[in-house]
Amino acid sequence: GAVVSQHPSRVICKSGTSVKIECRSLDFQATTMFWYRQFPKQSLMLMATSNEGSKATYEQGVEKDKFLINHASLTLSTLTVTSAHPEDSSFYICSALTSGSYEQYFGPGTRLTVT
Amino acid sequence: QQQVKQSPQSLIVQKGGISIINCAYENTAFDYFPWYQQFPGKGPALLIAIRPDVSEKKEGRFTISFNKSAKQFSLHIMDSQPGDSATYFCAARTGGGNKLTFGTGTQLKVEL
Repeated sequence: GAVVSQHPSRVICKSGTSVKIECRSLDFQATTMFWYRQFPKQSLMLMATSNEGSKATYEQGVEKDKFLINHASLTLSTLTVTSAHPEDSSFYICSALTSGSYEQYFGPGTRLTVT
Repeated sequence: QQQVKQSPQSLIVQKGGISIINCAYENTAFDYFPWYQQFPGKGPALLIAIRPDVSEKKEGRFTISFNKSAKQFSLHIMDSQPGDSATYFCAARTGGGNKLTFGTGTQLKVEL
């Protein structure tokens, strides 16, 4: 089956620093990748959609300068949280979609804690 | 119009019983309705999905019932097991953009 990995699984960073999260599709080419955040006991909220080789499309209310997304290849997308603050602490989850498919395959998530 | 309403928020079922989770939507442009299972600290995993031209789909113990006119769909888990204890999310896909809108989630607990 389609496998999506994320790295790191957990990260703790100090307030004001930046942290990068990687999302990889391991056995298929992902033409589109999505980034979500999920607060405890809440649903997934879409942050942005990224297509390989083009700029990401951000959802309303998501700061594109704070959450930098790069989708440089068909198997890798990165999310960089810049100048992180404690309120950015959350569970970040990526998903990947291959061309012509409806099914999004989700990564295992990255727990970000900003101290 | 983009919302997907999900109920109940939490559900306790006895082992062997049937778990039923309901979702409702307004946007008629939704064209694909998946259900996801999520365990604590993990990403969601696709359980089963349905297209609006089908009224029911069954895979093993999981069944989706879809009522297009009522704009409602539900997940039935037959013979519920303790290992099914997880959070379940319904979702709906917006055609064209491939974006998923998620329901609010149902925390299912299956007791022995």
